[in-house]
This record gives sequence, structure tokens and C-alpha cells, in this order.
Amino acid sequence: EPEVTQTPSHQVTQMGQEVILRCVPISNHLYFYWYRQILGQKVEFLVSFYNNEISEKSEIFDDQFSVERPDGSNFTLKIRSTKLEDSAMYFCASSSGGVGGETQYFGPGTRLLVL
Amino acid sequence: AQKVTQAQTEISVVEKEDVTLDCVYETRDTTYYLFWYKQPPSGELVFLIRRNSFDEQNEISGRYSWNFQKSTSSFNFTITASQVVDSAVYFCALSVPYGGSQGNLIFGKGTKLSVKP
Repeated sequence: EPEVTQTPSHQVTQMGQEVILRCVPISNHLYFYWYRQILGQKVEFLVSFYNNEISEKSEIFDDQFSVERPDGSNFTLKIRSTKLEDSAMYFCASSSGGVGGETQYFGPGTRLLVL
Repeated sequence: AQKVTQAQTEISVVEKEDVTLDCVYETRDTTYYLFWYKQPPSGELVFLIRRNSFDEQNEISGRYSWNFQKSTSSFNFTITASQVVDSAVYFCALSVPYGGSQGNLIFGKGTKLSVKP
């Protein structure tokens, strides 16, 4: 069964460093998402991406964040200058096209720790 | 504004008990979608079910069942004859598509279910 994959599974970085989180969505899906979950808290939407551009973003997704689909398979989230409060689990998700509200399938997550 | 409330923070049951996880949602839109996801201790988010706002039929899948009631804006999840492997955090989520977008997921805070042997 197709699944979303994410690398790395864990990343430790120093405050102020740039990190890139990578995702390979399900191959025939058209919509891609990033969410984050601070430890013990709820899952929060960051950004959605369709047709090579951002379709929606939350207040969390400020200028420090960017997303890219550099080729036909990868979808990346870059944090330019990490802060302590960026420590969280980051989930990538993808969904097929359709009338709306299609199921989003999540990857296993990348646990980011900023020291 | 859209919101999902899962009032039960933690529930503990003994194996074979039935347990219901509550979910109340808020939206003014008439077209929306509701979801349940399971997050086991390993951390991944596993999709369980999706319902659209026009389909109030209850659904049963094995030991799992879902009760969708628009009159009370609730989408409750029942596990029958719970098992230790059901121990996880369960999230209810709402999606409201608009303007051609799929709609992002708005999650509740989750209910941590512990099933003891």
C-alpha cells in the first residue's frame, strides 16, 4: 500500500541553523501539507501546497518557513533560522484531488529538536 | 471560526470494556468533513474514518463505530470490547474546503486512551 515517507526521522540542530525536512508524498496525490505537533499538544496546520504553489498557510508559517517541490517526488519544508520553539514533530501529509475534504495521509513524522 | 473540542483528555479502561470518545465541532459552513486519526505510542498518525456533512449514517468497522449527529454537532467514536493495542491518542479533525482548496485539517486536542489488561 502506498505511503508517505519522511526523512530524517530525527534531527537535532543548534538554534539559528537552517534545517530541511523531506517528504515523499503518495505518488498520484496532488495536494501536500505540513503540520507540526509540539510535544503533548495537538496537531497544527502549517501549509498546504498544490500545483507548485502554496494554497493556504497558517499564522505559524512565517517568513522563516518555506516549502518546495524540487522534483516530481520530493516535498520539502525549510526552516531558515531555527528557534527553540520550533522543536516539535513535523508531519507531512498528502491527499488526492477531488471535490474537497479528501483524506490526508500522514507520514511517520520528523522529530526536530532545537538546542 | 472552526473548532474541534475533545473534552476528554484521558480515559482509562480495562480490556474488553466499551469506550466512547467524544468529539464536538463548530463550523458555520454546510459542507465539511470530519475525520478520526489514531496516534499510537510510536507517533505516527493513522487515518481511521472520514465523513462528509451530508452523510449522517453511522458507520461500523469491526470493533469501531462512529455516531455522527449534526443536531448536536458531534462525531463520537466507540470502541467495543477494547484491547490493549487500542491504547493511543485519538484525534478528531474537521476540514472545510473552500475556493477549490481541499481544506486543512483542524484538530482537537486529542483523547489519550489507555487500555489495561
